[in-house]
Amino acid sequence: QKEVEQNSGPLSVPEGAIASLNCTYSDRVSQSFFWYRQYSGKSPELIMSIYSNGDKEDGRFTAQLNKASQYVSLLIRDSQPSDSATYLCAVNRVGGATNKLIFGTGTLLAVQP
Amino acid sequence: DTAVSQTPKYLVTQMGNDKSIKCEQNLGHDTMYWYKQDSKKFLKIMFSYNNKELIINETVPNRFSPKSPDKAHLNLHINSLELGDSAVYFCASSQGPTTYEQYFGPGTRLTVT
Repeated sequence: QKEVEQNSGPLSVPEGAIASLNCTYSDRVSQSFFWYRQYSGKSPELIMSIYSNGDKEDGRFTAQLNKASQYVSLLIRDSQPSDSATYLCAVNRVGGATNKLIFGTGTLLAVQP
Repeated sequence: DTAVSQTPKYLVTQMGNDKSIKCEQNLGHDTMYWYKQDSKKFLKIMFSYNNKELIINETVPNRFSPKSPDKAHLNLHINSLELGDSAVYFCASSQGPTTYEQYFGPGTRLTVT
């Protein structure tokens, strides 16, 4: 079982719709969760972080965390063609005094005009 | 003003050669990382330095040798390049070793022929 799992997609949504991206993780003691956006040929860009159960909203983005189910999701409201990118879920691996992020393989989102 | 920069952006070389990639961050962060992203977009940590000290050393061939002359710079030297080393190498930084929000450089696309 991979430590961080995402559906590779592509997830295709029409412009203006809500895009829902999902991620599951295996390390039950993980405490920190992140969503990165990566445009083709570019570097990952941090767009959301979430540390406690529930929802966290930032503009059109909402991150949702359910630690009991080991599940984290990202909702993008009013999707725009400029949102088309690969979305990487990242989870911290707990292990002493160092910080290690484990990334999923990403979900490719395609927003159709 | 670029926060995390890398040089070169592209590197094309032949098998057996030795090459270096350089990274610099002007965020005032203490911790820097090297990641490898393969052709399937899987992003995996290789090394991490905190204030010039190596703190994460993943299972990476010893042909790869990182070096941090100061906390704002992190270099990666690769000896005897192999075809399988072809990938995009990203540098990243974070405020500290237990700060999970990481910021990535633009990447270096290495092609070994």
